[in-house]
Amino acid sequence: EVQLVQSGAEVRKPGDSLKISCKASGYNFATYWIGWVRQVPGKGLEWMGIIYPGDYDTKYGPSFQGQVTISADKSITTAYLQWSSLKASDTAMYYCARPRISGSFSSFDSWGQGTLVTVSS
Amino acid sequence: EIVLTQSPGTLSLSPGERATLSCRASQSVSTNHLAWYQQKPGQAPRLLIYVASSRATGIPDRFSGSGSGTDFTLTISSLEPEDSAMYFCQHYGRSPWTFGPGTKVEIK
Repeated sequence: EVQLVQSGAEVRKPGDSLKISCKASGYNFATYWIGWVRQVPGKGLEWMGIIYPGDYDTKYGPSFQGQVTISADKSITTAYLQWSSLKASDTAMYYCARPRISGSFSSFDSWGQGTLVTVSS
Repeated sequence: EIVLTQSPGTLSLSPGERATLSCRASQSVSTNHLAWYQQKPGQAPRLLIYVASSRATGIPDRFSGSGSGTDFTLTISSLEPEDSAMYFCQHYGRSPWTFGPGTKVEIK
């Protein structure tokens, strides 16, 4: 069974750094892209970016390029999303998700439970 | 970047009625790489439809998708109370993938 288990909720101050995680199990981690999706409370879904753990190829949505870093560690089958300097506008739920088909862009059929990040002074 | 527009914003229907949700793309979606997701409050999204018209595993057959190019439709043939949710379309043909703003389906 495919499982994506995300790290717990975080409360940070503006300017803080943060790294949240997504632990994958039940499939060959290196051969599936894994992506991140943002959802501001009460709003829609925003595609942030995606990484292929096999060769660490990474793509970012235009709004997120330079604002976050997506990474992965094959040895522990975990993907990460990190910020070097948080803003209040980063307050949101963050989901990791895996596409349906190995090695290719396809719809997300497996999702993590979400990590709520709150940035407030 | 492909921009997706969904209509209507909210749909309020009674159980047993048919729901028709629209997703329009700003440019043609390659090889119909268009998906539909359902999201209920406090839950992660759930994949309903992929490649525009294929139902994901475990999705009831009252959900169907159609369309090609720039115009796509999600149809719920006979609404059940548990279908009350937000519905999002997404293209995934090439980076950056994008989501539509969503349609809220309310059951009267």
